Amino acid sequence: EAQVTQNPRYLITVTGKKLTVTCSQNMNHEYMSWYRQDPGLGLRQIYYSMNVEVTDKGDVPEGYKVSRKEKRNFPLILESPSPNQTSLYFCASSSEQGSNQPQHFGDGTRLSIL
Amino acid sequence: DAKTTQPNSMESNEEEPVHLPCNHSTISGTDYIHWYRQLPSQGPEYVIHGLTSNVNNRMASLAIAEDRKSSTLILHRATLRDAAVYYCILREYGETSGSRLTFGEGTQLTVNP
Repeated sequence: EAQVTQNPRYLITVTGKKLTVTCSQNMNHEYMSWYRQDPGLGLRQIYYSMNVEVTDKGDVPEGYKVSRKEKRNFPLILESPSPNQTSLYFCASSSEQGSNQPQHFGDGTRLSIL
Repeated sequence: DAKTTQPNSMESNEEEPVHLPCNHSTISGTDYIHWYRQLPSQGPEYVIHGLTSNVNNRMASLAIAEDRKSSTLILHRATLRDAAVYYCILREYGETSGSRLTFGEGTQLTVNP
């Protein structure tokens, strides 16, 4: 089954404790991205990757890092999490990056930073 | 991405058709019109997309105005499982911006039994 898998689904942690949210897709997609969703602000893109070893900032990249060492994986790293990063996070992937390609989303990771 | 305007909420009855409108008066010639929906506690789900012609798939139909300044997502027979937030998004490909989706607030669809 074609899918985007995120882990963990839920995480409560404390300020400053490094964490990684993993994202994996099994569709051989070149394009992957991370979004965060906050009430009243909708979904906003954090980082995206056009292919292996190619990443770039989205609209709200501050406080986040990503890496793309393999095509299927695109982890989101919070080196020193802060409470304003409490949010619902979604990973997405699509084939190529043309504007007519649908994006496939994971089921989300709910992070709470205390 | 160009801006879209959707009603905040709509209601429908089960097994009746639903027409979800979207205005995008500043659309450019290369913008695709995408629709996604987000069910409670899930990630956004692709529904349909089009450029100029009307489109049909197993989930819905997309009717695009001749001037492309508006479109309508049509659910032919609403079910309770169609209750979700529906997002109309104009998507353009940019060399430096990648192919992000810029989500607005969407339309909350309520389906009554």
